[in-house]
Amino acid sequence: AQSVTQLDSQVPVFEEAPVELRCNYSSSVSVYLFWYVQYPNQGLQLLLKYLSGSTLVKGINGFEAEFNKSQTSFHLRKPSVHISDTAEYFCAVSRGKLIFGQGTELSVKP
Amino acid sequence: NAGVTQTPKFQVLKTGQSMTLQCAQDMNHEYMSWYRQDPGMGLRLIHYSVGAGITDQGEVPNGYNVSRSTTEDFPLRLLSAAPSQTSVYFCASRRDSSPYEQYFGPGTRLTVT
Repeated sequence: AQSVTQLDSQVPVFEEAPVELRCNYSSSVSVYLFWYVQYPNQGLQLLLKYLSGSTLVKGINGFEAEFNKSQTSFHLRKPSVHISDTAEYFCAVSRGKLIFGQGTELSVKP
Repeated sequence: NAGVTQTPKFQVLKTGQSMTLQCAQDMNHEYMSWYRQDPGMGLRLIHYSVGAGITDQGEVPNGYNVSRSTTEDFPLRLLSAAPSQTSVYFCASRRDSSPYEQYFGPGTRLTVT
């Protein structure tokens, strides 16, 4: 069975600062990895995905994530955040069914 | 394409009442699923379907029923609502051959008093 742990429930950061949202996963087989974003009162939107190949994955809105197989991690990063990045971010794994982490609330302050 | 649609957007029920949350997609996706979202718990899979006539349980199926009579529709039924079912419910769909490109509906916010 697969599981996902997001290590931070809340991350406050100032505008234009870099940010990293941490995600660890557990699986006995190879999986696909995803980050989704949920803006306030909206549904989920796919930010980026890792299927295979290059371990550095670029997504929308300047976000990127790095797959680290030895550490079973898939951390999300952005070098400079904007107020508009304030949202909840979900890491997820899939080998058929999509399993989500608990979510990380990113709060960007001016 | 409308994508994945859900109705209603908001609903308030009394304990013991029944209702159906509707979900439809117009992308001819084989795979459809229902999640509930609760603070601090992420999204948890309730039920899913890999095609018309085929459904299976997810992580938290108790208190919910589903059926899949057509490719397009995947309704979620609460037979006897309980306050523990207060949540935001999301429906999602994808192609069976594409286990990653999952599309989500806008959600239904359900309150059970």
